[in-house]
Amino acid sequence: GDSVTQMEGPVTLSEEAFLTINCTYTATGYPSLFWYVQYPGEGLQLLLKATKADDKGSNKGFEATYRKETTSFHLEKGSVQVSDSAVYFCALSGGYNKLIFGAGTRLAVHP
Amino acid sequence: NAGVTQTPKFRILKIGQSMTLQCTQDMNHNYMYWYRQDPGMGLKLIYYSVGAGITDKGEVPNGYNVSRSTTEDFPLRLELAAPSQTSVYFCASSDNRVGTYSNQPQHFGDGTRLSIL
Repeated sequence: GDSVTQMEGPVTLSEEAFLTINCTYTATGYPSLFWYVQYPGEGLQLLLKATKADDKGSNKGFEATYRKETTSFHLEKGSVQVSDSAVYFCALSGGYNKLIFGAGTRLAVHP
Repeated sequence: NAGVTQTPKFRILKIGQSMTLQCTQDMNHNYMYWYRQDPGMGLKLIYYSVGAGITDKGEVPNGYNVSRSTTEDFPLRLELAAPSQTSVYFCASSDNRVGTYSNQPQHFGDGTRLSIL
């Protein structure tokens, strides 16, 4: 069945460092891909999405490109801030928009 | 604009008790979902609904039931609580009126943290 694999955390960075969180997927068909972010004590919020191969999703300085040839959707940000500390989830969707999530990657950014 | 509202936020149950987790959305979304999130894990789909009167099982439906009598409400029922159901439960909704593969983003509630002792 469909699945999503994310790099394990926690990821600890200093402010202004470069961030990469790896995400690969296995799917039949052509799913849409998403990154969601979860701040402490809150629900998940959509960070960005891509609906077809070579699409780049971007939001708040974060970017991810839908790579069909490597079945990947890695999340990047050029300069992280303390306020980016959260748990990041990679997900794919198929029929009925059902989401399949990766395990999540906790990011901690220190001043 | 309230979005997706879940109640209660926290609850402790004894083994064998039953309870209903409430979820309501005010965005007129046709699709709704229930997920559970176990520590260090991603979310797993319990049940989903594509409209009032229509529900279907997700990946982990055992021990749960749902109903969808209105567009706004999608309650999740635990009949005989077991320790394995200790988790954080999230309700979500999305607007998929243009088709089942429209892949619109899901909007999540803040979750219900449930402990079963």
